[in-house]
Amino acid sequence: GQQLNQSPQSMFIQEGEDVSMNCTSSSIFNTWLWYKQDPGEGPVLLIALYKAGELTSNGRLTAQFGITRKDSFLNISASIPSDVGIYFCAGMDSSYKLIFGSGTRLLVRP
Amino acid sequence: SQTIHQWPATLVQPVGSPLSLECTVEGTSNPNLYWYRQAAGRGLQLLFYSIGIDQISSEVPQNLSASRPQDRQFILSSKKLLLSDSGFYLCAWTTGGGYTFGSGTRLTVV
Repeated sequence: GQQLNQSPQSMFIQEGEDVSMNCTSSSIFNTWLWYKQDPGEGPVLLIALYKAGELTSNGRLTAQFGITRKDSFLNISASIPSDVGIYFCAGMDSSYKLIFGSGTRLLVRP
Repeated sequence: SQTIHQWPATLVQPVGSPLSLECTVEGTSNPNLYWYRQAAGRGLQLLFYSIGIDQISSEVPQNLSASRPQDRQFILSSKKLLLSDSGFYLCAWTTGGGYTFGSGTRLTVV
């Protein structure tokens, strides 16, 4: 079945540093989504990407939909302590199924 | 506005007991509905999805079943729970854009 490879698995960074994480897939997706999940809660949508090559920002977050439609990255600039959490990429196929990556756990050192 | 309700928030059930988790959506019609399971520290695994009333697709063979008796109601069930059914269960909906998740049900089978 479809699988997403998300990396890195975890990151422990200093406050103020930039963060980059990415996802690759063996399948083409029509939409790429990035979510953040805090402990004990459901994922919250951060950025949605609908076109190959699209680059979208949401505050300090920037994400891109790869030209091949098989990859996406998320950057967080000037990290702050509240950025702590697990970040998931997800690809949506033509039948609206959403397949998730395994997550990137981000820890920020004040 | 569109909202998604999921209950209960937490549940502790003995092995062999039945299960019924309910998810309802408000403020939209004919949504695609999904059930995901998340094991501790892991990504989200798609269990079932539904594109309409009584139209259910199963992604993973397992001890669970799903039903959609009404357009905006999605129910996850089991006749006899196993220890391996423990996890964080999330309901989600979409009408073609990004998914919106419920707040989740943490199920512990003892």
